[in-house]
Amino acid sequence: QKEVEQDPGPLSVPEGAIVSLNCTYSNSAFQYFMWYRQYSRKGPELLMYTYSSGNKEDGRFTAQVDKSSKYISLFIRDSQPSDSATYLCAFLNNAGNMLTFGGGTRLMVKP
Amino acid sequence: GAVVSQHPSWVICKSGTSVKIECRSLDFQATTMFWYRQFPKQSLMLMATSNEGSKATYEQGVEKDKFLINHASLTLSTLTVTSAHPEDSSFYICSARSQRGATDTQYFGPGTRLTVL
Repeated sequence: QKEVEQDPGPLSVPEGAIVSLNCTYSNSAFQYFMWYRQYSRKGPELLMYTYSSGNKEDGRFTAQVDKSSKYISLFIRDSQPSDSATYLCAFLNNAGNMLTFGGGTRLMVKP
Repeated sequence: GAVVSQHPSWVICKSGTSVKIECRSLDFQATTMFWYRQFPKQSLMLMATSNEGSKATYEQGVEKDKFLINHASLTLSTLTVTSAHPEDSSFYICSARSQRGATDTQYFGPGTRLTVL
């Protein structure tokens, strides 16, 4: 079993839709949970960073962590064509010396 | 499949010494590998693009003489931080590009935490 599972997509939605991106993980040592956005030919950009179960909101983005189920989600409200990118979940262990990425989900928001 | 390893995972060194970090694609060949650094709670910053058999392409502001990159084979790229200083302390992450048919994906290594005393 992979440590992190993320559906590669592509996920195609119309502009204005609510997008839900998800990852499951199996390693209990993961303590920090992150979502990155990566545009083509660019480095990943950190969107959200959290370490506790629950929801964290930042503008149109909401990160949700459920440690008991080992499941994290990123919700994008009012999606825009500029949100079209690959979204990667990432997990950092407590020691801060190991970062594990999901494979990424490619999102396409159509005007 | 598509596993990328990095070694070491954590290194502490004295100021002025050099440190080599290895990035390996374990089950696929990668003609292109990327090196990033990340400061706490910040985005990954692309440092350089490493192409097998040729010189690396460095991003603006990255000193090529300080961060030596060697991509000697299709499964191994190395980053050497020369004459390391405390401000070089960071999280260094590599990724390897896998192109299989129509799929073009980056797979990331677990990262190397460098602490320079």
